[in-house]
Amino acid sequence: GAVVSQHPSWVICKSGTSVKIECRSLDFQATTMFWYRQFPKQSLMLMATSNEGSKATYEQGVEKDKFLINHASLTLSTLTVTSAHPEDSSFYICSARDDPGNSGNTIYFGEGSWLTVV
Amino acid sequence: AQSVAQPEDQVNVAEGNPLTVKCTYSVSGNPYLFWYVQYPNRGLQFLLKYITGDNLVKGSYGFEAEFNKSQTSFHLKKPSALVSDSALYFCAVRDPGPAGRRALTFGSGTRLQVQP
Repeated sequence: GAVVSQHPSWVICKSGTSVKIECRSLDFQATTMFWYRQFPKQSLMLMATSNEGSKATYEQGVEKDKFLINHASLTLSTLTVTSAHPEDSSFYICSARDDPGNSGNTIYFGEGSWLTVV
Repeated sequence: AQSVAQPEDQVNVAEGNPLTVKCTYSVSGNPYLFWYVQYPNRGLQFLLKYITGDNLVKGSYGFEAEFNKSQTSFHLKKPSALVSDSALYFCAVRDPGPAGRRALTFGSGTRLQVQP
């Protein structure tokens, strides 16, 4: 199946610094990518929809200035957590749809990125 | 609005026995339904999907799911469970209509524990 690569898998950063997480679709083009956040033993919560060449669409309650999303190409979306705080520590997962022309196509997920803010 | 319910936090089954993980959904129109599996500290792996056609959908690793429109359900099944099937399973729905979200909405997840 299609592959979505996410990097880094694990990252530890100091409070107040920024961290960038990359999401790449390796063998398909993705005009739309999605960023989720997952707390321990909980489900995935959609943070934002990343649209290639345009602004991301954020879910209610997600701070746009804190979670910067850039989708500069058809295979790459990045999530930057700015001025990170310990409460931002979480598992972040990206996903991508493999065919923008067919809304029923499968959405594939990256392996996730563990962020720990100390 | 679209939503998914997984009523069981955990399902326990003995190896070799059949397993069922329950899922019910709510969308305004015809749903697109998905099952994903998550192993510890990993991302989600796609198992199967229902878009249209036969109500019984076969997927990866011997899993299958049955779409039941009248009961708004999409239960995941496997005839004979393996210990390696132990993981967290998520049901997800997407409303493909013009008012629906492009992103998937996930259920709360069901932990499957298969005992040797």
